[in-house]
Order: sequence, then C-alpha cells, then structure tokens
Amino acid sequence: QKEVEQNSGPLSVPEGAIASLNCTYSDRGSQSFFWYRQYSGKSPELIMSIYSNGDKEDGRFTAQLNKASQYVSLLIRDSQPSDSATYLCAGSDSGGGADGLTFGKGTHLIIQP
Amino acid sequence: DAEITQSPRHKITETGRQVTLACHQTWNHNNMFWYRQDLGHGLRLIHYSYGVQDTNKGEVSDGYSVSRSNTEDLPLTLESAASSQTSVYFCASSTDGTYRTFFGQGTRLTVV
Repeated sequence: QKEVEQNSGPLSVPEGAIASLNCTYSDRGSQSFFWYRQYSGKSPELIMSIYSNGDKEDGRFTAQLNKASQYVSLLIRDSQPSDSATYLCAGSDSGGGADGLTFGKGTHLIIQP
Repeated sequence: DAEITQSPRHKITETGRQVTLACHQTWNHNNMFWYRQDLGHGLRLIHYSYGVQDTNKGEVSDGYSVSRSNTEDLPLTLESAASSQTSVYFCASSTDGTYRTFFGQGTRLTVV
C-alpha cells in the first residue's frame, strides 16, 4: 500500500517568516512529486512539481526532494496571510503519474498577521 | 483558456438511485482521473483513463464506473448511490510525460 504522510498541523507561522512543510512517502519507485494548495471549499491547485533530487525554486516557493530518504518538502518564503491553506503532498508510482497520484492528508498552514 | 469543468457543483440524491457526474476538459489531455475527498482520508483515486476507450480501477472503485468515448469527457456513474458515497468528487486531467495534474472545481454529492 503506497502511503504519503504529512503532519496535519495546524502549522502556525508569522507573516514574513519561512513556512516549512514536510512529507514522506513509502514507495521507493515513486518518480514524480507535487505540492498542491487547497483553500477551504475549493479544489486543489498545483503549485510545484519536482522530479529529481535537489531543490527547485519558483518565486517564493522551493520544493526539495531526497529520494534516498523518501522525503519531500516545500518552503514558502516571506509568508503572506493569503498563503493560509491546506497543502497537499502527492507522489506518483513508478510510471510517473499516468496511473494517478497518491495524496497525503494535507497540512493546514496558518499565517499569522 | 483551457480548463476542466464539472457538473453539477452540488447534488442531493436518494439511496439506491443512479447518479452521473460530468467532467469535461479542453486541454486535450489523454490522462483523466476521478478522486473523492473525505475528512480523515484525503484524496483517493476512484478511476482513471489513459485515453479513449481505456478505463482503469483505482483505490476505491467499488460502486463506481466510468466510460471514455472521447478525449474531453470522463463521466462518473454511481450505480446505486449509498450514504457512504456522500463526498466531494474531483475530476482531474494530466499532461503526458510530466503528469502535472489539474483539478476541476469539484462536485459535492450528498446521498440521503
């Protein structure tokens, strides 16, 4: 059974600080990883994808992948109140994602003004 | 802009009735998916499709079926709705290769 684990939170971070979200996965064959942001009552919105070990930066977001440790993280710099949401980590199977993604249950992030 | 749309957005139905949820995407993506999202369980895969005439069962497929007659549409049918199928349903599609997956707005289904 493939699993993606996240701390449910809530994770409370002051405005302007760095928010650090973490995720571990059980399937060593997983190839692709994604971070989604989901506001209450809305659909998941893709914010980052990462496929190889190391860091990937996009604006205020940095995704980090360590396949040896089966660990994925998301850093949000200069956190804003609008970043308050649930963040979902997702991983593919060995095929990369054509068979769908396995999602964690999400981390609830609160940015305190 | 290309998009993925679901209908209806909200539906209330009775136990035992057949229900079909529609999903339409204009990205021309081959891969399409149906997920359900429940408190305590997160997003779980119901069915997926690699392309026209292809359908596959996901983690929680019992009581659901899909069909893929064209690239754009993947309707989800609940054969005989049960209270356990009360959930929020999301349709999604993804690009080939990178498998970046994009979601529709969701359908909130209540079975009474």
